Amino acid sequence: EVQLVESGGGLVQPGGSLRLSCAASGFTFSGYWMHWVRQAPGKGLVWVSRVNRDGSSADYADSVKGRFTISRDSAENTVYLQMNTLRAEDTAIYYCARVTNNGWALEYWGQGTLVTVSS
Amino acid sequence: DIQMTQSPSSLSASLGDRVTITCRASQGIGSYLAWYQQKPGKVPKLLIYAASTLQSGVPSRFSGSGSGTDFTLTISTLQPEDVATYYCQKYNSAPWTFGQGTQVEIK
Repeated sequence: EVQLVESGGGLVQPGGSLRLSCAASGFTFSGYWMHWVRQAPGKGLVWVSRVNRDGSSADYADSVKGRFTISRDSAENTVYLQMNTLRAEDTAIYYCARVTNNGWALEYWGQGTLVTVSS
Repeated sequence: DIQMTQSPSSLSASLGDRVTITCRASQGIGSYLAWYQQKPGKVPKLLIYAASTLQSGVPSRFSGSGSGTDFTLTISTLQPEDVATYYCQKYNSAPWTFGQGTQVEIK
């Protein structure tokens, strides 16, 4: 069974940093691109970032470019999102997601971890 | 960047109705489009990918169509469990933009 379990969320002051983790199990982790998607309270889904299978390339939404860094550790079967210079508008539930077997749609999602940026 | 625009933003329909949601891309994206369902308080669920391919386990009353810039998600016979917000997403290239969502309610 595919499982994605996020952790690392919490309350942080504006300008602060957090590192989110997403522990993957139930599939060959190195075989899939991984994504982060966020959802502010009561708002829609917003794509944040993706990393390719071996971690050699990544893309970011303009809103987080230069502040967030996605990475992955195949030994730990974990994908990370390092978030720096956090702003109030980064407050959201952050989901990690795995793509489908044969494409790039997001088939499996974690339960999410809440990040609150507030003083 | 390519923008994804869904319409309507919300709709209210009767049980058994046929419901259609539209997603328009500001530039052509081929068939690189997915639809997701998110029920209140739940995690998004993949319904359709490649514009028209039904994800395994998704009821056949859901269908998708379109290519290029115009896409539709259709629920052939609305059921109570279909109350949710539906999102389209492009995935031909970064950024993997979502539409703003369409909230479906029962009249």
